[in-house]
Amino acid sequence: EDQVTQSPEALRLQEGESSSLNCSYTVSGLRGLFWYRQDPGKGPEFLFTLYSAGEEKEKERLKATLTKKESFLHITAPKPEDSATYLCAVLETSGSRLTFGEGTQLTVNP
Amino acid sequence: DGGITQSPKYLFRKEGQNVTLSCEQNLNHDAMYWYRQDPGQGLRLIYYSQIVNDFQKGDIAEGYSVSREKKESFPLTVTSAQKNPTAFYLCASDTGAGPFNEQFFGPGTRLTVL
Repeated sequence: EDQVTQSPEALRLQEGESSSLNCSYTVSGLRGLFWYRQDPGKGPEFLFTLYSAGEEKEKERLKATLTKKESFLHITAPKPEDSATYLCAVLETSGSRLTFGEGTQLTVNP
Repeated sequence: DGGITQSPKYLFRKEGQNVTLSCEQNLNHDAMYWYRQDPGQGLRLIYYSQIVNDFQKGDIAEGYSVSREKKESFPLTVTSAQKNPTAFYLCASDTGAGPFNEQFFGPGTRLTVL
């Protein structure tokens, strides 16, 4: 059974204080790993898809990386508007549906 | 603009009532999904459909029903058999094929049982 574990559950940062969120996964074969951002009371917003170990993608202050067992979402010099819940999901090679982690709630204080 | 719409945004239900949540997409996507999200938790799959007139149960299908009569629409009915229906419901869609399975989400419906 596919498993996705995100850590920490919650993270509080000061504006400008860089950090990383972790997503570890267990699948028989990875077809893709997805990162989403979710604001309170809204639907998740797609950020990145990573397909193979060693791949990296960047968007503004966010950078996602992938190894064979985990993915990191690095946040460089965060701003208060980066506050949100970040969700990770995996799609198995033979699968047709995503398996989501429980998310990391990020709060960036000014 | 292409996207996914869900209605209503807020829904209140009395115990014992069935309610139907609407989900429409104009992205020409084949696959559609319904998820449930409880406070502090991730998304749990209720039902999904990869093609018109066909759908499969997800992890928590008990107490829910769906239909897929049109490509654009995938309504979810929360029946009285669902013991704890108060939650945030999210509809999503994707192309259903190939390596680019980026799911796009609607804005959600918050259901409260009174």
